[in-house]
Amino acid sequence: GAGVSQSPSNKVTEKGKDVELRCDPISGHTALYWYRQSLGQGLEFLIYFQGNSAPDKSGLPSDRFSAERTGGSVSTLTIQRTQQEDSAVYLCASSSGWGDTEAFFGQGTRLTVV
Amino acid sequence: KQEVTQIPAALSVPEGENLVLNCSFTDSAIYNLQWFRQDPGKGLTSLLLIQSSQREQTSGRLNASLDKSSGRSTLYIAASQPGDSATYLCAVGMDSSYKLIFGSGTRLLVRP
Repeated sequence: GAGVSQSPSNKVTEKGKDVELRCDPISGHTALYWYRQSLGQGLEFLIYFQGNSAPDKSGLPSDRFSAERTGGSVSTLTIQRTQQEDSAVYLCASSSGWGDTEAFFGQGTRLTVV
Repeated sequence: KQEVTQIPAALSVPEGENLVLNCSFTDSAIYNLQWFRQDPGKGLTSLLLIQSSQREQTSGRLNASLDKSSGRSTLYIAASQPGDSATYLCAVGMDSSYKLIFGSGTRLLVRP
């Protein structure tokens, strides 16, 4: 596609429910990142996928968070048993290579846990 | 540990002014530095990418410079317009990692 696409754009969920956030990277981009932006905060790295390599999950805040990337393209970030502190904007980005290439971001998914 | 700082946190200027946004980082072992724009409730739009071997990049009214040794970058916006109002974020990509480390941003308001 023309850009990074994320869905849904907004999600309101009840505390304790599981949610799935989807990211469609730019076609041909091998690198995919998930970041989280909490209200009034900077961007926090969550997870990184590069080609067929094992993902870097070092930024995931707890074991309730997980992510997959199927076929080297679409990625899903799953949050289990959501808590109110999970409320944030979840941003996905992709780039064509390793860390020396430009990253392009999607519009984000605004998650609100009530 | 790399830390990225942006000053000022907020800036309000009248339309037409030239302005400079500052970004500093503590570890000079960077691959690149990228400037982004974020509009309220929106994602990030890439403005300029400077590789560690470069000194500056230009795009239209925007010019970004990089002084790797001193750990500084500036984003210069010429002839500012109300449409430039947004939050501007800088992020560094590290030699040892692919993660982007972000500053907390400068919130810019250009008054008509």
